[in-house]
Amino acid sequence: GAGVSQSPSNKVTEKGKDVELRCDPISGHTALYWYRQSLGQGLEFLIYFQGNSAPDKSGLPSDRFSAERTGGSVSTLTIQRTQQEDSAVYLCASSRAGTLYNEQFFGPGTRLTVL
Amino acid sequence: DQQVKQNSPSLSVQEGRISILNCDYTNSMFDYFLWYKKYPAEGPTFLISISSIKDKNEDGRFTVFLNKSAKHLSLHIVPSQPGDSAVYFCAASAGTGGGNKLTFGTGTQLKVEL
Repeated sequence: GAGVSQSPSNKVTEKGKDVELRCDPISGHTALYWYRQSLGQGLEFLIYFQGNSAPDKSGLPSDRFSAERTGGSVSTLTIQRTQQEDSAVYLCASSRAGTLYNEQFFGPGTRLTVL
Repeated sequence: DQQVKQNSPSLSVQEGRISILNCDYTNSMFDYFLWYKKYPAEGPTFLISISSIKDKNEDGRFTVFLNKSAKHLSLHIVPSQPGDSAVYFCAASAGTGGGNKLTFGTGTQLKVEL
């Protein structure tokens, strides 16, 4: 079956512009996560959605970052007024439920470069 | 503050030999640990996990060992195969109440040579 998909695969933008990154989770997965990996760093948790519950936004680095999940499926991560330190690979993952022991399946990521 | 640390950025092993990848953590609230494998231009894929109530979990060629007192875990791959060449990430989560957000290490690049 189809895995987690993300678009675009690569995005180059100028400092100060807004960007939107998209994630299509595996059908039926109720939990969705966004992570990012900056150069030389591990994956850093950003935000987590579980069903209709309020999202856990504890990992968002600033108020320039926001995310939404429409209809419990597709999610978009928006970065406003991008800065060079936002350059990273942004990874989306989904799992059957947001509880322990549920394997997270990752998409291929979106490589964001802010010039 | 790096709560999950993989101090070896790279490891080179001969085919057929054992690969040992190490991971240390500082947060005593972590109670579930996972290893993910990542090929270039792909997302990480789940490899093996271990709960803090165990000290060993084995799946085929892959075994994960957990030493809670030392806050250390390791992944053993034996025998190593060229297809195992990838970046391996150690990850941890704390409790069941907050979803399953994972804290990752920086990864170890494993190269299995013929």
